[in-house]
Amino acid sequence: VQLVESGGGLVQPGKSLKLSCSASGFTFSSYGMHWIRQAPGKGLDWVAYISSSSGTVYADAVKGRFTISRDNAKNTLYLQLNSLKSEDTAIYYCATNSFAYWGQGTLVTVSS
Amino acid sequence: DIVMTQGALPNPVPSGESASITCRSSKSLVYKDGKTYLNWFLQRPGQSPQLLTYWTSTRASGVSERFSGSGSGTYFTLKISRVRAEDAGVYYCQQVREYPWTFGGGTKLELK
Repeated sequence: VQLVESGGGLVQPGKSLKLSCSASGFTFSSYGMHWIRQAPGKGLDWVAYISSSSGTVYADAVKGRFTISRDNAKNTLYLQLNSLKSEDTAIYYCATNSFAYWGQGTLVTVSS
Repeated sequence: DIVMTQGALPNPVPSGESASITCRSSKSLVYKDGKTYLNWFLQRPGQSPQLLTYWTSTRASGVSERFSGSGSGTYFTLKISRVRAEDAGVYYCQQVREYPWTFGGGTKLELK
């Protein structure tokens, strides 16, 4: 199993960013997937989940601003981040539904 | 939301000794299927979190027998036997009984 995140970077408050998580080594379409984030020097915060049938749930802190989606043909998970705030600055990890496998993370920095 | 509270360790821990980390949940993690949905992770410096145990006490694939999880209801413990240098890092408990999935604040293990 391999998960590789990309798409992070420096973005201004109020702007948008789209993260990707490329999956391999398992039947991606059969499993739910999570996004989890970690602010610099802080603990882990669960962000969003998408089921194998594309049902979604979100943490209250991101509901209405972030959108999780998936493209099973491309074995890729996405997280669209809109209306970004400084408190969204974090490393964003994707993980499999059981949290058994994690990517290396991609850093999102929200700053003017 | 279920709040997860972790205890601290009397750092540094001498190599070869045992260490126990506690975790309390604000609600019972026993689900209607009888399983207790509590995970433990280790995050080594600069790395992604690694799943150690799930269902309170089942070790994840490839995890050393030196790691053992125990507990029930709302009180849980991760015991690390014969601590080694590679065990250093931050340990997190996580409840996966219900959405939103929540993590404890982390417990740092430093070795002497």
